[in-house]
Amino acid sequence: DVVMTQTPLSSPVTLGQPASISCRSSQSLLHSDGNTYLSWLQQRPGQPPRLLIYKISNRFSGVPDRFSGSGSGTDFTLKITRVEAEDVGVYYCMQATQFPYSFGRGTKLEIK
Amino acid sequence: EVQLVQSGAEVKKPGESLKISCKGSGYSFPHYWVAWVRQMPGKGLELMGIMFPDDSDTRYSPSFQGQITISADKSNGTAYLQWISLKASDTAIYYCARLSVVRGFLLDFWGQGTQVTVSS
Repeated sequence: DVVMTQTPLSSPVTLGQPASISCRSSQSLLHSDGNTYLSWLQQRPGQPPRLLIYKISNRFSGVPDRFSGSGSGTDFTLKITRVEAEDVGVYYCMQATQFPYSFGRGTKLEIK
Repeated sequence: EVQLVQSGAEVKKPGESLKISCKGSGYSFPHYWVAWVRQMPGKGLELMGIMFPDDSDTRYSPSFQGQITISADKSNGTAYLQWISLKASDTAIYYCARLSVVRGFLLDFWGQGTQVTVSS
């Protein structure tokens, strides 16, 4: 199975400042079809998860452009250019290149 | 508008059976995979399995194989997650989500979650 490792586990950030979360997979997420099925999800307190980014860098409908994704192979990053109060929550990376699909353990974003 | 609406919270005793549901609307339910995801108290997300309602093709994550049954009734747009004999360790929030393969194997819409509490 593919193991997803996120860092940091917790990220205290000042409002208006940038934030960055890393995700590393135990094997390449490049699929034989040429795509890389790496997503990022946000889970606000008491809410179900919400899709932010898919296929490394594609923002899902309605996601603000302060969120961006990058990376390739085994190393991926989610960046928030200017953190807002509504961004508080836990962020998960997820791979769907190989079944069973797997999630990182989550990074808790909190305001300083 | 795509929506997944799950059944309400359940409180059960160890050894009891349970079936929870997830009703999809606003899209062609039979033609999208449905995923079930577990979130234990204070923990992260775990994929339990996926099902394609149109032909009932079902795949279970190894950790959950033999422990659960995923099914669907495509005529009424509803997916199900079932246990024969619950354990205290099954206490968790269970989410269903739509898996969009065409757009890139993404879980694009989620249900609100069903809290399952197993306690004697």
